[in-house]
Amino acid sequence: SQTIHQWPATLVQPVGSPLSLECTVEGTSNPNLYWYRQAAGRGLQLLFYSVGIGQISSEVPQNLSASRPQDRQFILSSKKLLLSDSGFYLCAWSKGGGDQPQHFGDGTRLSIL
Amino acid sequence: EDQVTQSPEALRLQEGESSSLNCSYTVSGLRGLFWYRQDPGKGPEFLFTLYSAGEEKEKERLKATLTKKESFLHITAPKPEDSATYLCAVNTNAGKSTFGDGTTLTVKP
Repeated sequence: SQTIHQWPATLVQPVGSPLSLECTVEGTSNPNLYWYRQAAGRGLQLLFYSVGIGQISSEVPQNLSASRPQDRQFILSSKKLLLSDSGFYLCAWSKGGGDQPQHFGDGTRLSIL
Repeated sequence: EDQVTQSPEALRLQEGESSSLNCSYTVSGLRGLFWYRQDPGKGPEFLFTLYSAGEEKEKERLKATLTKKESFLHITAPKPEDSATYLCAVNTNAGKSTFGDGTTLTVKP
């Protein structure tokens, strides 16, 4: 069966510090991969998605970037965090085709001080 | 622009009191509508996929239905463990996913 791992679960970082969140998927090959941010009491805002190694699409201009160095690894990064980057970050995967559900990790709660 | 609106924002039920959650959507080219359950501090958990109007899916006390404009998640005789936020999402021909803001369900014993 497929599993998705996302870490860390919580992170407290000072303003201006760098960020690296990692997500890996097991049990499937060539998945679509996604990064979302969720504000409290709100739905999911798509940040980045990837249909293959090195292929990244950005949905919202922001202080963040994403990379996919391996087929089942997706990384969310920032060079300098802003207060507005605080939130709940979720990684997800799906099979290709556009009509498949997404499967989510347990998220990272990021607090910027 | 694709839009997904869920109502109500919050719903409080007594144990055993059946009700429905609504997800209305405006999209160009629906590829699928998805329901997820999200517990506090966790990622969403996939529940159902619906592809065409008239389709229904069931799982325990939950039943999802789909029309050309909206989907309903019916909860029959809910239990306290059904308390969670329920999210609706649509995939379109453009390959994008749009999520609603969710309905937070609280079931009191």
